[in-house]
Formats: sequence, structure tokens, C-alpha cells
Amino acid sequence: QVQLQESGPGLVKPSQTLSLTCAVSGDSITSDYCWSWLRQHPGEGLEWIGYIHYSAGTYYNPSLRSRVSMSVDTSKNQFSLKLNSVTAADTAVYYCARFVKRPRDSALYYFDYWGQGTLVTVSS
Amino acid sequence: DIVMTQTALSPPVTLGQPASISCRSSQSLVKSDGNTYLSWLQQRPGQPPRLLIYKISNRFSGVPDRFSGSGAGTDFTLKISRVEAEDVGVYYCMQATQFPITFGQGTRLEIK
Repeated sequence: QVQLQESGPGLVKPSQTLSLTCAVSGDSITSDYCWSWLRQHPGEGLEWIGYIHYSAGTYYNPSLRSRVSMSVDTSKNQFSLKLNSVTAADTAVYYCARFVKRPRDSALYYFDYWGQGTLVTVSS
Repeated sequence: DIVMTQTALSPPVTLGQPASISCRSSQSLVKSDGNTYLSWLQQRPGQPPRLLIYKISNRFSGVPDRFSGSGAGTDFTLKISRVEAEDVGVYYCMQATQFPITFGQGTRLEIK
């Protein structure tokens, strides 16, 4: 059973960098999946931030691309998100999720496993 | 970006009765490979989203068969044949045909 667990500071000051980590169990971070970050503003819908694939690299949502970076730590089987220059508009529940991307034989694109989410508040 | 539009609230449903949730995309979700990458997710209160349906009508592993999906092009529907109490929550449609991946704003399902 694949499990994902987010961790990181729940409070970040404006203009600083939000840093979160997602620990993966039940699968290897080097397997053929796109390890993703999404967020949900309070009482609102879902926004996809981007993903990182161990060998294929990253894909970031253009709306956040200038402030986002993602990385993988194979020794800890986890991946990370950094979002810099945060404002109150970045206050949200942040989720990590596994994205299945199989463009050829299987033709599959979906999120199959999600973490429980972690609330990050941007405030001084 | 492709905009996904859902009605915010579905009419309250009586337990055991059917429910239907609609989703419309701002452009066709048929990808160049001929497939349509439209998914439905359920978010129960206090929980992360959960995949129900992928590629319009394919139920994900473990999803009860009372959930079904249909549609084509730009118009899609999620149907619950007989609503149960555990179905309360917000339902999202999601497209992965064209990046960035985008979601509808969600439709809240309430029980009468």
C-alpha cells in the first residue's frame, strides 16, 4: 500500500520560502511516477503546483513556475517543494500525490495516491 | 489553461436516490492520442481527495459500482445510482489532457 506524508512548518512569514517534504512508503521515489504537489486554499478548489519525475525532470504550473522548485532525495525516499517569496495568498492546505502518467500503451493520466495534507499559513 | 466548470451545489438528495453532477470544459478534452483524460475525485470532509473515475468512465480500484461516469468532448457527468450517507462531500472533475492540470471548483453533495 502506497502512503504519502507531508511535513514542514505550518507558519511561514511573508516574503520567505515555504519548504515542504513528502515521505513516500510502499513505493520507490525512483519508480516511473510523477511525484506531485497540489494545494487547496481555504474553502476552495484544488490547484496543481507541479510534479517531479526521478529521471524525466520537473513540470511546473506556469502560474507558479517563477517561484517553485522541486527535488528528490533518494536516500530518504522523499521529495520536496520550495515556494519562495510567499504572500498571504499562498496560505493553503498543501497535498503531495502520486501522478500516473502513461502516455502510450496504457494511456493513463490520474492521481491515485494522496497524502493527508498539511496546512501552511503565511503570516507575520 | 482549460477551465473546468461545475455547479457549486447539487440539489439535496434522499438516501437511496440517484444523484448526478455535471462538469463542462472550456475546450475539448480529446487528446491527440484519441483519449479523453477526464477524472472525478471525491473529497469527504476533512479528508484528501480520492480518485473515483478516470478516462471519463473507468472506475478506480475499490470504488463502488454505484459510481459511474459518462460524457464526451466538453460535457461530462458523474452519476451515483443510489446515494449513501458516506457519499457526502465535494466532488471535483479534473482534466489532464492539456497541462497545466486543472480542476473544477467542486460540487457539494448534501443529503436531505
